[in-house]
Amino acid sequence: QQPVQSPQAVILREGEDAVINCSSSKALYSVHWYRQKHGEAPVFLMILLKGGEQKGHEKISASFNEKKQQSSLYLTASQLSYSGTYFCGTPRGQLTFGSGTQLTVLP
Amino acid sequence: GAGVSQTPSNKVTEKGKYVELRCDPISGHTALYWYRQSLGQGPEFLIYFQGTGAADDSGLPNDRFFAVRPEGSVSTLKIQRTERGDSAVYLCASSLGLAGAPNEQFFGPGTRLTVL
Repeated sequence: QQPVQSPQAVILREGEDAVINCSSSKALYSVHWYRQKHGEAPVFLMILLKGGEQKGHEKISASFNEKKQQSSLYLTASQLSYSGTYFCGTPRGQLTFGSGTQLTVLP
Repeated sequence: GAGVSQTPSNKVTEKGKYVELRCDPISGHTALYWYRQSLGQGPEFLIYFQGTGAADDSGLPNDRFFAVRPEGSVSTLKIQRTERGDSAVYLCASSLGLAGAPNEQFFGPGTRLTVL
């Protein structure tokens, strides 16, 4: 079953913050986050393994609550380079990806 | 090579034709994955190899799709009797494939398949 991401799209100004959510109807043991720029391959951001654990990449961090079966990605003081589509993936050998959140950062 | 490579980068074919898409994973990566991505959607799982064997092929849409990885490195995705609905970007990814560990997947640039 595909994880559900929200919002579907977000537009913000450089320096603003954003939160992207990922939830699953099935039990989660870990969550992967990827970013894909237009016409390019998805690029790995981070994996979250335990409940409540937070990981960071640049000024991007994430949390994972396995009891609530959800993960959130936090983009702080966004930069133009953060623009792209963010996918969460839930692993079962392969990854089942959400439908993505399109993030646009404007100058 | 430094990353996952895929060839061709673009493939245009006619309905009913046969196509082969190639993936060259990162050296030493035992796990290899094929995904298909349509516009505005996340990658959709097709098949996963651990070494030479297909560990999970539950994502293949029908028997027109087949994939091999005979020597545990390069993989070929084969599509017979192509249909217009097969048009998509086909992504390949590889990972270390360590048992019991979360394996970061590295994606190739994809092959854009267009069926006319």
